Amino acid sequence: QSVMTQPPSASGTPGQRVTISCSGSSSNIGSYTVNWYQLLPGTAPKLLIYRTNQRPSGVPDRVSGSKSGTSASLAISGLQSEDEADYYCAAWDDSLNGYVFGTGTKVTVL
Amino acid sequence: QVQLQESGPGLVKPSQTLSLTCTVSGGSISSGGYYWSWIRQRPGKGLEWIGYTYYTGNAYYNPSLKSRVTISVDTSKSQFSLNLSSVTDADTAIYYCARDVLPGTGPFDYWGQGTLVTVSS
Repeated sequence: QSVMTQPPSASGTPGQRVTISCSGSSSNIGSYTVNWYQLLPGTAPKLLIYRTNQRPSGVPDRVSGSKSGTSASLAISGLQSEDEADYYCAAWDDSLNGYVFGTGTKVTVL
Repeated sequence: QVQLQESGPGLVKPSQTLSLTCTVSGGSISSGGYYWSWIRQRPGKGLEWIGYTYYTGNAYYNPSLKSRVTISVDTSKSQFSLNLSSVTDADTAIYYCARDVLPGTGPFDYWGQGTLVTVSS
């Protein structure tokens, strides 16, 4: 049911910057704010970015979010081993009348 | 610190009803202000939002699952529950409960660890 597309994978060496894109449409990203989540096996998913570019308390400022038109991006700079995880964007969608998630991106730290 | 914990059977037979409960601690469901959602991740797939409820008992569901889903709330126990009827192996997934700050905007700011439910005879 995913109507927001992310690259399946992204990678970088420690200290590098990784950017993950989330491509949607006018019914979701084009009309609503975007949230980003980090998933690690066996743990509760973690909110990384809310309302497109806001960081919850405890999320370091090397994590940032942005949006332009119907696409959003998550950037992680100063890549660390603990950043190795799956990342999902999410937004409300008017056409589906519900929340939709992106297809997910697995980040590997080389 | 708000915590959510899913509980329920890990194995459900095809055509039966999947029933899960989410217990909320560190915050009261009955105080209002937040909505309470279920989300799942099927094997090898992405996340799928199932629906949410409010402390009043009002609920809203993903249209693709609406005919089979019921989400209810028990404020006295600080719990909300998911019932998914007529399950098939396509309903095998990790099921998460989460707190929704504001429907239409989100975010899901607190999540449970998830519970794996397998549909198999």
